[in-house]
Parts: sequence; C-alpha cells; structure tokens
Amino acid sequence: GAVVSQHPSWVICKSGTSVKIECRSLDFQATTMFWYRQFPKQSLMLMATSNEGSKATYEQGVEKDKFLINHASLTLSTLTVTSAHPEDSSFYICSANRDRDEKLFFGSGTQLSVL
Amino acid sequence: DQQVKQNSPSLSVQEGRISILNCDYTNSMFDYFLWYKKYPAEGPTFLISISSIKDKNEDGRFTVFLNKSAKHLSLHIVPSQPGDSAVYFCAASVGTYKYIFGTGTRLKVLA
Repeated sequence: GAVVSQHPSWVICKSGTSVKIECRSLDFQATTMFWYRQFPKQSLMLMATSNEGSKATYEQGVEKDKFLINHASLTLSTLTVTSAHPEDSSFYICSANRDRDEKLFFGSGTQLSVL
Repeated sequence: DQQVKQNSPSLSVQEGRISILNCDYTNSMFDYFLWYKKYPAEGPTFLISISSIKDKNEDGRFTVFLNKSAKHLSLHIVPSQPGDSAVYFCAASVGTYKYIFGTGTRLKVLA
C-alpha cells in the first residue's frame, strides 16, 4: 500500500510555457503533500507544503506565483510551473503523508527540461 | 545553512562487506530521522527510520544508529549487495512533519 503516482515522468517544453505536474495518492488519503526539487548531485530541496483545501505554504526563496500549487482533494495535488524558463529545468518530486505514519511516500518524480 | 549534512558524496564497497553511510545534523530539536534510497530519475524509496528515543533500529540488512550527543546517525548495510548501489539520503524532522534532507551519498557496491 501507500502508492504515490506522479505524472508526467518527463516533460520538455519551450521557454514561456506552463507545465502542470500531478501527484496522486492511489490507495490512501493524503492530508499533506510536499513538493521537492532536486538539481543534479544535490539534495532534495523542499519547495512547499500542500494541505487539502487550503493555500500551500512555500519555503523561503520559492516564488509563489511561479510555482502554483493546488491541493483540491485528499488524493490529488498539482504543481504548475508558470512561464517556465531554462533555469526551472530540474527534477521535481512530490511526497505524501498518511495518518499515523511517520514516513513520506514519494512519487517517481518529473524531469522538466525547458528549452 | 545546511541543517542535515552527508559529508561523503560517494562510497565504494566490495560485495559482501559492510557499507557505512554517515549523516550529521545541527538542529537538536530534530526528533525523527529517515533513510531513503534513490535511483536516477526515480523517487526515493523508504529504507528505515529511527526516533530520538532510540539509539538503534534494525531491519534485515539495514541498521540505523543514532548518537544524539554527537548529532550523528549512520546507516549500516551488511552484507552489501550490488543492488544496493544507489544514492542514499538521510532526512530529519521535528515531529515527523517537515523533513530536511541531506545532500546524499552515492554508494557503489563492487561485485
């Protein structure tokens, strides 16, 4: 159990376009989902914490208007990279908590390449 | 300010021997720690956890040791297998809510 599905796994887009990444908890309800970003050979950097039905909490230095997060239901959170630029190219990973479980369950990640 | 540090970016170990991955942290409020394994272009998978009330937790070939006074934890894998080759991240949190990840250690197990 505790499967987190993330789509797409890989996306290439032109500079200036927007990209939406979906994160779904398939077999549990996730009251909280987290979005991370990873540059090559670096750590997972927490971007924002997403709670169902409320506004996301962004980490310092993360642009809210650039990275739009919507957590519309207990099983779905989306991250939209708006007006993407080459410097937004990165590996984005979502994770989810389930009740009474201290672990995070991760999606498989999305490799975003902005040309 | 890197609150969770993995000072060894890479480690090579012979198959069958012990792999020891280290992690240091600076925030004494951290009370829950996780180890994750990650393959390229995939999401991390959970390995083992430990809370601050313990100093050791074991699960099969994986054992995590916590030294609170030194703010140090380590992951032992024994015996190491080629399939263990991956990047290993430690993560720490206050109250199992928001985790801070280390920079990762790339383990290579040589056959």
